[in-house]
Amino acid sequence: GQNIDQPTEMTATEGAIVQINCTYQTSGFNGLFWYQQHAGEAPTFLSYNVLDGLEEKGRFSSFLSRSKGYSYLLLKELQMKDSASYLCAVRDLTGANNLFFGTGTRLTVIP
Amino acid sequence: DSGVTQTPKHLITATGQRVTLRCSPRSGDLSVYWYQQSLDQGLQFLIQYYNGEERAKGNILERFSAQQFPDLHSELNLSSLELGDSALYFCASSPQLGTGINTQYFGPGTRLTVL
Repeated sequence: GQNIDQPTEMTATEGAIVQINCTYQTSGFNGLFWYQQHAGEAPTFLSYNVLDGLEEKGRFSSFLSRSKGYSYLLLKELQMKDSASYLCAVRDLTGANNLFFGTGTRLTVIP
Repeated sequence: DSGVTQTPKHLITATGQRVTLRCSPRSGDLSVYWYQQSLDQGLQFLIQYYNGEERAKGNILERFSAQQFPDLHSELNLSSLELGDSALYFCASSPQLGTGINTQYFGPGTRLTVL
């Protein structure tokens, strides 16, 4: 089975940096995805990690440590529009491309 | 806009009824996934189809069923509806199965309210 943990809520200040952590326990691992979801809207893809290390994409970076079952999403130069839920999802090894999502971290950016 | 379309956007119905949700994947995508998202809960994987065939099942109730048609659009059928079935239902699509990044792109969702 899969168990994915993220903090429920975080608050950060506009212009600052915030790190959202995700820990996971899976019976098989084939990649980790981060999605952003504004309230009532569709999740949108942010990043993908399958090997250990940091992937950088503009203001967003994602890190993975497979041995520790740990990932984080780093958001820099926070903007008000970054207020959203951030979903960590793990893909299993069945080959079916199924994703198992954590409950998400609701980030609130304040002025 | 992800390229995945879902209809209807909103659906209000009564307990015991049956509804059908429709999804059209991105052009060229063969795989379709259905998810349920209840209030303050994470996305729960329901079922996946690949090129017309059921590929994987998650936490899908027996009252729910789905299919993928030859033109690759998919329908999710929910029957004997209960109050607890009220949720956002998302469809996602990806080009293929689990090779490479193969990102899932999500449609705008159908908000189902059961009264």
